[in-house]
Parts: sequence; C-alpha cells; structure tokens
Amino acid sequence: EVQLVESEGGLVQPGGSLRLSCAASGFTFRDYWMHWVRQFPGKGLMWVSRTNGDVSSTSYADPVKGRFTISRDNAKNTLFLEMNRLRVDDTAVYYCVRGGIGVAPHPFDHWGQGVLVTVSS
Amino acid sequence: SYDLTQPPSVSVSPGQPARITCSGDALPTKYVYWYQQRSGQAPILVIFEDSKRPSGTPERFSGSSSGTMATLTISGAQVEDEADYYCSTTGSTGDQYVFGTGTTLTVL
Repeated sequence: EVQLVESEGGLVQPGGSLRLSCAASGFTFRDYWMHWVRQFPGKGLMWVSRTNGDVSSTSYADPVKGRFTISRDNAKNTLFLEMNRLRVDDTAVYYCVRGGIGVAPHPFDHWGQGVLVTVSS
Repeated sequence: SYDLTQPPSVSVSPGQPARITCSGDALPTKYVYWYQQRSGQAPILVIFEDSKRPSGTPERFSGSSSGTMATLTISGAQVEDEADYYCSTTGSTGDQYVFGTGTTLTVL
C-alpha cells in the first residue's frame, strides 16, 4: 500500500524558515517524480514544486521560486521541502504528492494527509 | 500560468446526473485531471488524461474534454459523492501544474 506521511508543520514568524519532510513507503520511491501541493485556508489548491527521481530536474511555482527548495533522499525514501523567507500568504496545508515515472505530465495518484503551516507574527 | 474556471457549486438530487465543468483557453492541447476532496480529507484522483478512471473510481464517474471545456459527469450521484471537485492540467510550459477554482457538489 502506498503511504505518504508528512512531518508536522507548525507556526512560523514571517521571514522565518521551516523544513517539511515526507516519508514514502509501498512503492519504489526513487523511480517516481514527487510534488508538493498546498491548499489555502479558503480551500483553493496550488501546485508548489516537483522533482524527478534523482533531483536532476526540479520546478517551482512562481510565488515560491527562490524561496523554497525541493529535495529528496532516495536511500531513506524521503521527500523534503525547505521553505525560507516565509510570508503570511504561505499559510496553507501542504501535501506531499506522488506523480509518475518517466516523462511528465503525470496525474497525482497518491496524496499524503497534509500538514498545516501557519505564518504569523 | 493561466486560469481554470469551475462553477462554485452544483447541487443535484440522489440518483440524478451531476455535471461539473472546467474551462480554460489551453485545454484543447492539454490533458485534464479531476480530483475529489471530501470534507477533512486529502484529495484523491478520480479521472486522469481527460477520461480515464483509476482503479477504485466508481464507473458512474466519467470525464470528457472538448475545445476549451472539460466535464466531469457523475451518472447517478450518490450522497457519498458530496465533495469538492478540482480540475487540473499542466501550465503553459508543461512543467508546472494548475488547479481549477473548485466546485462543491451537494447531493440532497
């Protein structure tokens, strides 16, 4: 069974940093493109970032470019999202999401349970 | 980036068909994906590549796409189908993803 389990989120002050992690199991992690998707308090979804299997190719949504970094440790089946210079409008539930194998696009076929990140003073 | 527009809400009676639309200028050249999100839960994929059902998606769910509009149809909506539904596709470069504005389906 595919499982994606995110680490706890938290409350961060504007300008602060936070690192999310996602432990994957039930599939050959290194073969899959992985994504982060966030959901704002008003319910809208926004794709944040993605990486291919060996992190040779990454991509970011414009609002997070230059502030967020996606990475992975294939030996530990773990996906990361390093978030720096956080802003109030980064407040959201962050989901770890599995993509596919090989050339994109892929559907998002498995989602983690999501973790809440709150940016507030 | 570009917008995918969905109606904010759709309401049907149990057993009646429910249709949720998703419009976007780039859809003629893109695959559309549909996600269901029940209250308090993470989204799940219900349709991929316009019209394909993952294993586990009930047969009453179908998808279609024509021109600038994609449609998710539930042939006979059930109470358990009450959820938010989001369409999605890739961005203008093909390297990013875009979600629709979301539609709340009420079945009562």
